[in-house]
Amino acid sequence: DQQVKQNSPSLSVQEGRISILNCDYTNSMFDYFLWYKKYPAEGPTFLISISSIKDKNEDGRFTVFLNKSAKHLSLHIVPSQPGDSAVYFCAASAAGGYQKVTFGTGTKLQVIP
Amino acid sequence: DTAVSQTPKYLVTQMGNDKSIKCEQNLGHDTMYWYKQDSKKFLKIMFSYNNKELIINETVPNRFSPKSPDKAHLNLHINSLELGDSAVYFCASSPQTGPNTGELFFGEGSRLTVL
Repeated sequence: DQQVKQNSPSLSVQEGRISILNCDYTNSMFDYFLWYKKYPAEGPTFLISISSIKDKNEDGRFTVFLNKSAKHLSLHIVPSQPGDSAVYFCAASAAGGYQKVTFGTGTKLQVIP
Repeated sequence: DTAVSQTPKYLVTQMGNDKSIKCEQNLGHDTMYWYKQDSKKFLKIMFSYNNKELIINETVPNRFSPKSPDKAHLNLHINSLELGDSAVYFCASSPQTGPNTGELFFGEGSRLTVL
């Protein structure tokens, strides 16, 4: 039972353009939604998050949008840079859930110079 | 100065063997985890410890036994290794303060290959 889904395994974008990564979830109990970034041979690192009471959170070139009614979130990267090439994991947690975090399967982003 | 460190980084072993992976964090966090990333790249939680107490055990076979000697260390011992145990195992930690915001700090991973 995959509660967090990333249906696009890969995405290629030209440098300078916008990258949009999508994520869907099924569990209405999730309170926080996060994006993690992972380079090869490294562990995932936290990138940006959003609380379920908000619909947008921005941090520099990264913006996360949350649509609770559709159970959908997206990560926008503008402008995309070659250093953004990595695997991006969508994740979610429930506030009372002993810090349990549920991850999607990841989307591999390639930013082409 | 590595925040969450795992050893070994790579491990190749035969079916039926017993092996351990060690994890240490110097962030002062109360909660530590083991996640498994299988061949389909799915990151799935296995165990979580809070201050040496087991709080999450996600239907993992009994062959897997976590041990937390103190809140800065969480080790994973695997008995009678099977081919399906081949995966990358990630250790992670988080502070147990406030709501579960989901922010985890991961180690670099330990790639286990069972032949």
